[in-house]
Amino acid sequence: GAVVSQHPSWVICKSGTSVKIECRSLDFQATTMFWYRQFPKQSLMLMATSNEGSKATYEQGVEKDKFLINHASLTLSTLTVTSAHPEDSSFYICSAREGGWSYGYTFGSGTRLTVV
Amino acid sequence: AQKVTQAQTEISVVEKEDVTLDCVYETRDTTYYLFWYKQPPSGELVFLIRRNSFDEQNEISGRYSWNFQKSTSSFNFTITASQVVDSAVYFCALSGAQKLVFGQGTRLTINP
Repeated sequence: GAVVSQHPSWVICKSGTSVKIECRSLDFQATTMFWYRQFPKQSLMLMATSNEGSKATYEQGVEKDKFLINHASLTLSTLTVTSAHPEDSSFYICSAREGGWSYGYTFGSGTRLTVV
Repeated sequence: AQKVTQAQTEISVVEKEDVTLDCVYETRDTTYYLFWYKQPPSGELVFLIRRNSFDEQNEISGRYSWNFQKSTSSFNFTITASQVVDSAVYFCALSGAQKLVFGQGTRLTINP
C-alpha cells in the first residue's frame, strides 16, 4: 500500500530558530500534499495544501511567512517553521494524495515539535 | 463549507461492551467521501474506512461496523465487543473536492 514517510518524528529546538519537516511519498507520486497541525487533545487542523510545482494554498489564519511549504517534486514536500516560538509547539502531520480527490489520503506518522 | 461534528468528546466503557461513535456532517457537495481514522497515543493516524456519498450500504469489518445515513447526514461507527486495544481517539472526516476536514474526535477508553 501507499506509504508516506515523515521526518523527523520529534524535534526540540530553541526559540528563534527554524525547523524543517520532510514528508515523502515512498511508492507513489503525490500530486497534492497537505499539512495539518494538532494541539494536544484537539483535532487536526488543515494548515495548507500544496500541489507539485505550485505555491501552497494556506488556510485562513495560517501565517505564510512563518510556515513555509515547498513541494518541489512529486515525492517530497517540506514544512519549515521559521523563527519558532513556544506557541508553535505542536504535532504536525502531513498527508499525500496520488491524484484527484477521489483518491484516498495517506498520512505520515507525524512530527512532534517542541520549542524551548 | 464543510463541517464534521462528533458530539461525544469522551466515551468510557467496560471491555466487551458495544459502543457507537456518532458523526454528523454538513456539505453542499453532492459527491463527497467520508472517513474514519483511529489515532492511538503514538499519534499516527490509522485509516479505518472510506465511503463515497453514493454508497449508503452499511459495512462490517470484524468487530467494526459503519452506518451511513444520507437522510440524516450521519456516518456512525460501532465497535462490537470492545477490547482494551480499541482505546484511542477516533476521528470522522469529510472530503470534498478540495480538502479533508476532520471532526473534533472522540476519545474512547475501554476499561478492563
